[in-house]
Amino acid sequence: AQSVTQLGSHVSVSEGALVLLRCNYSSSVPPYLFWYVQYPNQGLQLLLKYTSAATLVKGINGFEAEFKKSETSFHLTKPSAHMSDAAEYFCAVRPNAGGTSYGKLTFGQGTILTVHP
Amino acid sequence: DTEVTQTPKHLVMGMTNKKSLKCEQHMGHRAMYWYKQKAKKPPELMFVYSYEKLSINESVPSRFSPECPNSSLLNLHLHALQPEDSALYLCASSQATPGTGKETQYFGPGTRLLVL
Repeated sequence: AQSVTQLGSHVSVSEGALVLLRCNYSSSVPPYLFWYVQYPNQGLQLLLKYTSAATLVKGINGFEAEFKKSETSFHLTKPSAHMSDAAEYFCAVRPNAGGTSYGKLTFGQGTILTVHP
Repeated sequence: DTEVTQTPKHLVMGMTNKKSLKCEQHMGHRAMYWYKQKAKKPPELMFVYSYEKLSINESVPSRFSPECPNSSLLNLHLHALQPEDSALYLCASSQATPGTGKETQYFGPGTRLLVL
């Protein structure tokens, strides 16, 4: 069974500082990986996804993530934090099914990002 | 356009009430999902519909009854809920790239449910 671990339930940065949110997965076959953001009282918005193409994935709002098979990681970064980035971020993994199966997303526990002025 | 809409945004119901949550997407997606999210927790999968047929039921109590009337609509019928069922209910949809198994789930804004 696959799983995903987000290191750090809370991350605090200053505005303009680097944002680094960590995600590690456990899977025998490299899965598909996703980062979602959730603002207070809203649904989940897709930030970016890794689906076996380029290992460095660029997403919306200046975020990017790098898939590292050797480290089983998919950390999310942004060079310069903005106040509007304050939200909860979820890493999610889906099996690389190799077919048109509508499988399950497994979510990490989430990381709340706080941005200080 | 990657929009999934949900109504109502908020719902308060008593334990003896019957209510329904609605979800709609017009992206041509053939899979739709219901999730339950408690505060400070990740979403938990409840049901998956694939081509309007129930394909996954994550052992959800029968007081939750899903329905997929057509490829664009997904309902969640609620009856005799308990206070612990209070949560944010999220709908999502996806369409795999045929033959690859790649699919991305797009979420709606959710319905915040309070059971009194």
